[in-house]
Amino acid sequence: GAVVSQHPSWVICKSGTSVKIECRSLDFQATTMFWYRQFPKQSLMLMATSNEGSKATYEQGVEKDKFLINHASLTLSTLTVTSAHPEDSSFYICSASRTGWGSNQPQHFGDGTRLSIL
Amino acid sequence: DAKTTQPTSMDCAEGRAANLPCNHSTISGNEYVYWYRQIHSQGPQYIIHGLKNNETNEMASLIITEDRKSSTLILPHATLRDTAVYYCIVRVLYNQGGKLIFGQGTELSVKP
Repeated sequence: GAVVSQHPSWVICKSGTSVKIECRSLDFQATTMFWYRQFPKQSLMLMATSNEGSKATYEQGVEKDKFLINHASLTLSTLTVTSAHPEDSSFYICSASRTGWGSNQPQHFGDGTRLSIL
Repeated sequence: DAKTTQPTSMDCAEGRAANLPCNHSTISGNEYVYWYRQIHSQGPQYIIHGLKNNETNEMASLIITEDRKSSTLILPHATLRDTAVYYCIVRVLYNQGGKLIFGQGTELSVKP
C-alpha cells in the first residue's frame, strides 16, 4: 500500500533554532501534500497545502514566514519551523495522495514528528 | 470547521461489532465521506471512504444513508488493537488532492 515517510520522528532543540521536517511519498508521486499539527488531547489542524513547483497555500491564522514549506519534487515536501519557540512544540504530521488518480483518492499519512523546543 | 459530528467516546466488547455513527447533514452531492483512525502518537490510518453506496474492505464496512446525511462505520469483530480515535471526515474538494478537515472524532475503547 501507499507509504508516506517522515523524518525525523522526534527532535528536541533550543529556542531560536530552525528545524526542518521532511515528508516523502515512498512508492507514489504526489503533486499535493498536506501539513498538520496536533497538540495533546486535540485533533489534527490543517496548516497548509504543499504544491509541487509552486507556493504553498496556508490556512487562515498560520504564519507563512514562520512555517516555510518547500515541495521541490513529486516525492518530497519539507516544513521548516523558523526561529522555533516553546509554543511551537507540537506533533507535526504530513499526508499525501497519488497524483492524477482523481480527487477521491485517500490521503496517506506519515507517522509524525514530535517537536520539543526547550 | 469540520462538517461532521460524532460521539465523543464509545466502548465495545472484544469480538463484538463496533458501530461508529457520524452525522454530516450539510454534505454536498459530490463530497465523499472518509474514515480514518489514529492510535496514540501515530499518524492517522486510512480505513475506508464512500460517496453514496455502501462500501466494504478488509478493515471495515461503511453504511451511508440514502439521504447521505449520516453514515456508520462498522468494525465487524473488534479487537483490543482497534482501540483508537476514529475520525469521520467530509472531504472538501480542493484541487487535485482534496483537503481533510478533522473534527474531534470518537474515542473507541475495546475492552476484554
